Amino acid sequence: NAGVTQTPKFRVLKTGQSMTLLCAQDMNHEYMYWYRQDPGMGLRLIHYSVGEGTTAKGEVPDGYNVSRLKKQNFLLGLESAAPSQTSVYFCASSSPRQGAGYEQYFGPGTRLTVT
Amino acid sequence: AQKVTQAQTEISVVEKEDVTLDCVYETRDTTYYLFWYKQPPSGELVFLIRRNSFDEQNEISGRYSWNFQKSTSSFNFTITASQVVDSAVYFCALNPPYNQGGKLIFGQGTELSVKP
Repeated sequence: NAGVTQTPKFRVLKTGQSMTLLCAQDMNHEYMYWYRQDPGMGLRLIHYSVGEGTTAKGEVPDGYNVSRLKKQNFLLGLESAAPSQTSVYFCASSSPRQGAGYEQYFGPGTRLTVT
Repeated sequence: AQKVTQAQTEISVVEKEDVTLDCVYETRDTTYYLFWYKQPPSGELVFLIRRNSFDEQNEISGRYSWNFQKSTSSFNFTITASQVVDSAVYFCALNPPYNQGGKLIFGQGTELSVKP
């Protein structure tokens, strides 16, 4: 049981390049999330999904797109990377449980640098 | 509006000192959940505790304890007899369950440094 995995762990992009971050979970969770973490700002939600084939915008969605073609995978795309997208990206998944809210399980993170 | 504030950006203590990390939240929901996560230098996020809004009992787990007070909208975290391994960034988060998708609203984090 791997939990939540993210690929790749590190990446360096040049401005204008594109890339896709892959998140996979093996816990059969309905909900999946992409956050970015920047110094002094905590984690901010980029996009999320409440089920296969559905996605929704979070707090900071501009410059990113997502897809959830399979329940276990959630992809985050950067079409034209900008230096402002240099950050650590975390994927998470959850399922609602009675009395437990939506405890989220996080992946190990992807450190992205855009030069 | 929903918001979580961790006013302490950085805290530095000497090993064996007790330390309290503050968390203040804002929400109009009557039902919600509060979480604490730990992020050690290795970078992963580690779940520490979950508390629902109907349970104001304080909780203790080893050297960790949490004080939840709805009257002041606070959910503070205390580490007793701190150790070097407690050095990490700690995040408080709010989860309003009727908010679609179960999103977590994070505070800015408090970086705790425990010196030997």
